[in-house]
Amino acid sequence: ETGVTQSPTHLIKTRGQQVTLRCSSQSGHNTVSWYQQALGQGPQFIFQYYREEENGRGNFPPRFSGLQFPNYSSELNVNALELDDSALYLCASSFWTGATEAFFGQGTRLTVV
Amino acid sequence: SQQGEEDPQALSIQEGENATMNCSYKTSINNLQWYRQNSGRGLVHLILIRSNEREKHSGRLRVTLDTSKKSSSLLITASRAADTASYFCATDPGYYGSGNTGKLIFGQGTTLQVKP
Repeated sequence: ETGVTQSPTHLIKTRGQQVTLRCSSQSGHNTVSWYQQALGQGPQFIFQYYREEENGRGNFPPRFSGLQFPNYSSELNVNALELDDSALYLCASSFWTGATEAFFGQGTRLTVV
Repeated sequence: SQQGEEDPQALSIQEGENATMNCSYKTSINNLQWYRQNSGRGLVHLILIRSNEREKHSGRLRVTLDTSKKSSSLLITASRAADTASYFCATDPGYYGSGNTGKLIFGQGTTLQVKP
């Protein structure tokens, strides 16, 4: 167990809806990164939050947004869900942006129908 | 988009045999990491090799890095059924050529099956 918890573990949404995924980072970690992993693919970097500010973003549209709270937990919000958003969403926390190891949660499996 | 390719995509071996997985990447890196993923769940960090290192060992794991060829390999010796998982390489591009960013770029992974 990494100490990084994600909720919910599974979620089914309808196309066009909005979803919020949550991540509780490991104690002492101030950096959270979110990844999307489609079936059979490697994870793709969505964005990173450091001390409550977005600190870099991958090739994802603006309907993917996030927040980081003072306790360094984080949310990933996706608006106007599309079928292709169906994936495993992983969050990873680390001590700081320059840390050499990221600790991943177990992920949220999102299915869009 | 993915950083690069992993080879093979799938590997099936007997317990006790060695497993070798290869990873290629496209851009300059600060470090390269290998992760394991069991049954589509969270990733577990295995080992990190910095861009100025050529080989690293950790228990039954041996990682090599060839920055001139932009490639890395992961060797698991004396494999066990519990090693059955997907293995991913991930690169950190570094910040202005130095320091980590924590923004990992993953390959597509190798699925390893170790038969008892």
